[in-house]
Amino acid sequence: QSVLTQPPSVSEAPRQRVTISCSGSGSNIGNNAVSWYQHLPGKAPKLLIYYDDLLPSGVSDRFSGSKSGTSASLAISGLQSEDEADYYCAAWDDRLNGWVFGGGTKLTVL
Amino acid sequence: EVHLVESGGGLVQPGRSLRLSCAASGFTFDDYAMHWVRQVPGKGLEWVSGISWNSANIAYADSVKGRFTISRDNAKNSLYLQMNSLRAEDMALYYCARDSGGNVADGSGLDVWGQGTTVTVSS
Repeated sequence: QSVLTQPPSVSEAPRQRVTISCSGSGSNIGNNAVSWYQHLPGKAPKLLIYYDDLLPSGVSDRFSGSKSGTSASLAISGLQSEDEADYYCAAWDDRLNGWVFGGGTKLTVL
Repeated sequence: EVHLVESGGGLVQPGRSLRLSCAASGFTFDDYAMHWVRQVPGKGLEWVSGISWNSANIAYADSVKGRFTISRDNAKNSLYLQMNSLRAEDMALYYCARDSGGNVADGSGLDVWGQGTTVTVSS
């Protein structure tokens, strides 16, 4: 059971918008920055969002992040087949004194 | 170009030890904290350990505390993970990752990842 809770899977049609939620607690999301990662099979994970809502250089602006209280969300607009991947949220946890990842969400583009 | 290359994985018996290495290039290694993250086949990402730029701050996941030791050699642009008393549940693909900040708890995101090295624990 992961400290950060994500839905196991989401699906949406091409060109539509999808959101992936990440629920935590006051010791992690509620008090620390959230980052999001895209993980394609056989590839290294890729940082999509850091400090809750910032995009690293080179990441498409179709990706956006937000946070409210102890929950965070990743939104992907204009879905493309290449967006099919596993997505993870992560944050530092003050109580565990370590990073925690969500269980991951598998995105299917219908 | 920024690169992280892991090595040292392999087949090891339960209870034995293994040392992973991560060679960094293309950036000023001692500006950044570094981490190890693993993925058991078919499962999600699990953070294992992190070390600050100057080794002053180190953190471990509870699942490896007391068995694994993270270290770095800034002169050699290298990160290490000494894994002792290995268990079947440690069997995973181990990634080396750069923190975009200098401290382990910055929470600034892991912005560069290697391709991983596989650890198999079996008798």
